[in-house]
Amino acid sequence: DIQMTQSPSTLSASVGDRVTITCRASQSISSWLAWYQQKPGKAPKLLIYKASSLESGVPSRFSGSGSGTEFTLTISSLQPDDFATYYCQQYNSQGTFGQGTKVEIK
Amino acid sequence: QVQLVESGGGVVQPGTSLSLTCAASGFSFNYYGMHWVRQAPGQGLEWVAVAPYDTSVQFYSDSVKGRFTISRDNSKNTLYLHMSGLRPEDTAVYYCAKDRQKKGAGTPGFWGQGTLVTVSS
Repeated sequence: DIQMTQSPSTLSASVGDRVTITCRASQSISSWLAWYQQKPGKAPKLLIYKASSLESGVPSRFSGSGSGTEFTLTISSLQPDDFATYYCQQYNSQGTFGQGTKVEIK
Repeated sequence: QVQLVESGGGVVQPGTSLSLTCAASGFSFNYYGMHWVRQAPGQGLEWVAVAPYDTSVQFYSDSVKGRFTISRDNSKNTLYLHMSGLRPEDTAVYYCAKDRQKKGAGTPGFWGQGTLVTVSS
C-alpha cells in the first residue's frame, strides 16, 4: 500500500500570507496526485490534479508542484475563504489520502 | 448541472449488511468512473472503491476488500455500494464522487453531499 504523509497537520496563517503544504508518498507515484479543500460539514472540492494542473474554476492563487514522492500545494496570498482543511490524494495505485492539513486563522 | 444524491445510510448493528445508492444526473454517467469515499466523524478522508465507466474490474481499498461491493447500472445512472460484515470502524459519511475525467478512474472530481452510516450495537 502507498502511504501519504502531509505536513504540517495544522497551520496558522494570516490573510495575505503565502502558505505551503507538503505531501510525501511512501513510494514513487509519478505525478498522480490531487489536492482537495474541505470546509466543515461540506463535501471536498478538487483543486489540483496530476500534481500541478489547476481544476477549472479554481483561483490561480492555488498551485501545485512536485513529482515522484514529494509534492507541495501553495496558496500565494491566503484569502478569508481559504481557511479550511486540505488533503492530498495519490491515484497511482488505488487511491490514498493524506491525513489532512487544517489552515486556521492566526 | 451535475448532481449526485446519496441515500441508504442509517444505523445498523455490527455484522449486518447495508446498501447505499447514488443517483446521478446532469452528465453522461456511462462515460465516467465513479468512486465511493468515506469520512469517519472528525477524521480524514478514506478512499473506498471505484467502478470504471465500462463496468470492468472494480478496485477497493484493503480495509473493505471482500466485504464491500461497488456496482453501477448505466441504464439507471445509478451507483451502488453493498456493504456486508459491517464493523464499528465503518461508521462514516459515505460520499459518492464522479471522476474528473471522461473514462478516468483516478480522481474524484465532483462529490455528492454524503450519507451517514453508523454501525453500533
